[in-house]
Amino acid sequence: KAGVTQTPRYLIKTRGQQVTLSCSPISGHRSVSWYQQTPGQGLQFLFEYFSETQRNKGNFPGRFSGRQFSNSRSEMNVSTLELGDSALYLCASSYVRGKDTQYFGPGTRLTVL
Amino acid sequence: TQLLEQSPQFLSIQEGENLTVYCNSSSVFSSLQWYRQEPGEGPVLLVTVVTGGEVKKLKRLTFQFGDARKDSSLHITAAQPGDTGLYLCAGSLSGGYNKLIFGAGTRLAVHP
Repeated sequence: KAGVTQTPRYLIKTRGQQVTLSCSPISGHRSVSWYQQTPGQGLQFLFEYFSETQRNKGNFPGRFSGRQFSNSRSEMNVSTLELGDSALYLCASSYVRGKDTQYFGPGTRLTVL
Repeated sequence: TQLLEQSPQFLSIQEGENLTVYCNSSSVFSSLQWYRQEPGEGPVLLVTVVTGGEVKKLKRLTFQFGDARKDSSLHITAAQPGDTGLYLCAGSLSGGYNKLIFGAGTRLAVHP
């Protein structure tokens, strides 16, 4: 079974621009969560989507948003990029919510110049 | 303040040595997961523990979940250079569903 895929793998943007990242979960998985990883803050939860609805949200500004499609694929969007948004953005999927294990994709490395 | 305190932050050892990584919290977790991450890649799941007092073994790796489900440890026996990487613990709070709380990570270097 194919793992979690994320596109693109690398992205360079400038301040003020917006960006959209994509995540395809493992086949059959319905929950998709997004995380931001930086050297200073480590891995931090952004949000979780299940059945096309945002179920949980981390402590990030409204510039960070996401959505999930009927096939469980998910996108996250960051508007008005700031230098501090440079990070590895990770997507994780699980079959259901709760104690089910999350499996991570390889991430998208975003660099904001 | 980290909700999940992971220690040590860095570990540099010789091949064949044993080591233990700790994750501690004042909060109770419904489950706890250990991941290993290579540079530029996503975390790869090593194990999930859900029951207080649970011990799981994966070859030379032994994982323990505390009785009160507030702490966990990862013990590696006879470390090898291939064990080098970033080890992360992550917990799920009751009712937190798929919102994982991560420790800061332990960067392990095993030298031949």
